[in-house]
Amino acid sequence: SQQGEEDPQALSIQEGENATMNCSYKTSINNLQWYRQNSGRGLVHLILIRSNEREKHSGRLRVTLDTSKKSSSLLITASRAADTASYFCATDFRDSWGKFQFGAGTQVVVTP
Amino acid sequence: KAGVTQTPRYLIKTRGQQVTLSCSPISGHRSVSWYQQTPGQGLQFLFEYFSETQRNKGNFPGRFSGRQFSNSRSEMNVSTLELGDSALYLCASRGGGASSYNEQFFGPGTRLTVL
Repeated sequence: SQQGEEDPQALSIQEGENATMNCSYKTSINNLQWYRQNSGRGLVHLILIRSNEREKHSGRLRVTLDTSKKSSSLLITASRAADTASYFCATDFRDSWGKFQFGAGTQVVVTP
Repeated sequence: KAGVTQTPRYLIKTRGQQVTLSCSPISGHRSVSWYQQTPGQGLQFLFEYFSETQRNKGNFPGRFSGRQFSNSRSEMNVSTLELGDSALYLCASRGGGASSYNEQFFGPGTRLTVL
């Protein structure tokens, strides 16, 4: 089963609004990564956060990690139509280093 | 720097046939991972090769195999194709040595349809 589980499964917002999605996992991780995928194409890496980090920023993206709750969140601020995509979290577990497990993804639709 | 390339981009096969997919990683990257993406199962890890050795393996049957060449290019083979093997197969390369603390760069994928 997929250990990284995203919530919600789908999100519909208007341009300018913020989008927040969450990822939960079950066992200890080395790091957690967020990816974006447009319409069944290849994935694009967004942010990597290590297990000893709590928050990272990249442009309009903010990722938080709470290892005590085994969860992470991705916030996209001031969303744009171009942010329409599926977002996945990928976890690298301590007992299977390098064997990334992806969640089911959150489908985000940003309408003008 | 050229990105990760995968060939072919689209493939149609019939049940029982076999197929070989190819992946060329970013120059200098020694790690290549393969993933299968389907609407029902999502993205699932197949295997990872590093310096011509399989370093990690997912939970797929033995019909799925792979290899990596000395130039880091990788191939994935699926024998005795089944309808359920229809999927987007993604390849990802990663640099920085053996560490997993590096982003994966994905190719555009090979869309395999099994009839």
